[in-house]
Amino acid sequence: AQSVAQPEDQVNVAEGNPLTVKCTYSVSGNPYLFWYVQYPNRGLQFLLKYITGDNLVKGSYGFEAEFNKSQTSFHLKKPSALVSDSALYFCAYITPFSGGYNKLIFGAGTRLAVHP
Amino acid sequence: DGGITQSPKYLFRKEGQNVTLSCEQNLNHDAMYWYRQDPGQGLRLIYYSQIVNDFQKGDIAEGYSVSREKKESFPLTVTSAQKNPTAFYLCASATGGGTDTQYFGPGTRLTVL
Repeated sequence: AQSVAQPEDQVNVAEGNPLTVKCTYSVSGNPYLFWYVQYPNRGLQFLLKYITGDNLVKGSYGFEAEFNKSQTSFHLKKPSALVSDSALYFCAYITPFSGGYNKLIFGAGTRLAVHP
Repeated sequence: DGGITQSPKYLFRKEGQNVTLSCEQNLNHDAMYWYRQDPGQGLRLIYYSQIVNDFQKGDIAEGYSVSREKKESFPLTVTSAQKNPTAFYLCASATGGGTDTQYFGPGTRLTVL
């Protein structure tokens, strides 16, 4: 079955250190992959997406993600974490839906905690 | 959260009542979506609409109903048939239904008393 997996429920990192939030995918064909962030009691904010082209995708707030086809991964990264980056992060992919349209399927989410 | 508004922010429902959650967007997007979020789980699709007067069931449509009478509006009704409605509900919209990015509203937290 097609899916995305976020293997870590929580990631802890010190402020100023690099951060990585992991996502692996099991998707047939060309995977269209997304990262979203959710702050407490808020909606999801779009960070970045991979559709085609360069494997390194740059997004909002200094985040980037690397699409790795051989490892079927799409890890989210940031060179220097901020306390304000603490939030819930979701990886997602596009899959065909009914009527010829597509829908987003989300991973379970990873909680990032950045400590001062 | 951009040009997508959801109201109310918090909603309390007694068992057996129907309640309607509002979602409005001023982004001129054709596609609109409703998702449900439960603790420790990702979002799950309830309903989807690509154009006015057309909508499709998602993965967990039972106990919910929607309408799309205007391009800007996509209200969700949680009926008494929904056995476990306490959750965080998120509305989203996108230019189209392909690989276009979905943008989310701030959400409504529904609690059944």
